[in-house]
Amino acid sequence: GENVEQHPSTLSVQEGDSAVIKCTYSDSASNYFPWYKQELGKRPQLIIDIRSNVGEKKDQRIAVTLNKTAKHFSLHITETQPEDSAVYFCAASSGSSGDKLTFGTGTRLAVRP
Amino acid sequence: EAGVTQFPSHSVIEKGQTVTLRCDPISGHDNLYWYRRVMGKEIKFLLHFVKESKQDESGMPNNRFLAERTGGTYSTLKVQPAELEDSGVYFCASSLRMNTEAFFGQGTRLTVV
Repeated sequence: GENVEQHPSTLSVQEGDSAVIKCTYSDSASNYFPWYKQELGKRPQLIIDIRSNVGEKKDQRIAVTLNKTAKHFSLHITETQPEDSAVYFCAASSGSSGDKLTFGTGTRLAVRP
Repeated sequence: EAGVTQFPSHSVIEKGQTVTLRCDPISGHDNLYWYRRVMGKEIKFLLHFVKESKQDESGMPNNRFLAERTGGTYSTLKVQPAELEDSGVYFCASSLRMNTEAFFGQGTRLTVV
C-alpha cells in the first residue's frame, strides 16, 4: 500500500520568513496530493491540493510543487504570519486504492512574532 | 451550509466498555470516511462508505470496530469492547465525489482508561 513520509516533524520560523515542508510517497499510481492545516482544537482543513498532471500550484502565499519522477511534493509558505502556526499534514491518494487518503505524520509549524 | 459534525467531541470510557461515535456528513455527500489519529502519529484511514455501502474497510483494526451508515446519511462507529490502544482522535470526513476535497469533522477524542 501507499506510504507517505513527512519532514520535518517540527519547524519554527521567524515571522516573515518562508517555511517548507516536504513529503515523499511510495505508490507511483498516486495522483492526488492535498495539504491540510489543523489549528489547535479545530478540524483539519484543506489549504491547497495538486494533481499529478500539474507540477506546481500557487494560492497567494502558499504553493505546492510535485515531482512525480522522484515521488515527492512540498508545501511552501512565504511571508509567514503567526496565524500560520498549526499542524500541517500532507496526503496522497490514487484511484487504484479507492480514494482513501494516506497521510504523513504531520509538521508542527510555529511562527515566532 | 453545515459542515461535517461529529458527536461526542470527547469520550472517556473504561476498558471493556462500549462507545458509539456518530458522524453527520455534509448533505448530499455520498462519500463518507472514518480516520483515526493515535497520539503523535499520522491520521490513518479506517473505512469508506459510498452511500450506505462499505467501499473499503481495509483500515479497520479488528472486529471490535463496527461501522454503519443507515440509509446513506449519518454514520456510526462502534467500538466494543474498547481497549487502551483504541485511544485517539477519530475523524469523519465526507466528499461529493471521489478524489476531490474531503471535508473533515472536528473529531471525537476517545480516551480508554
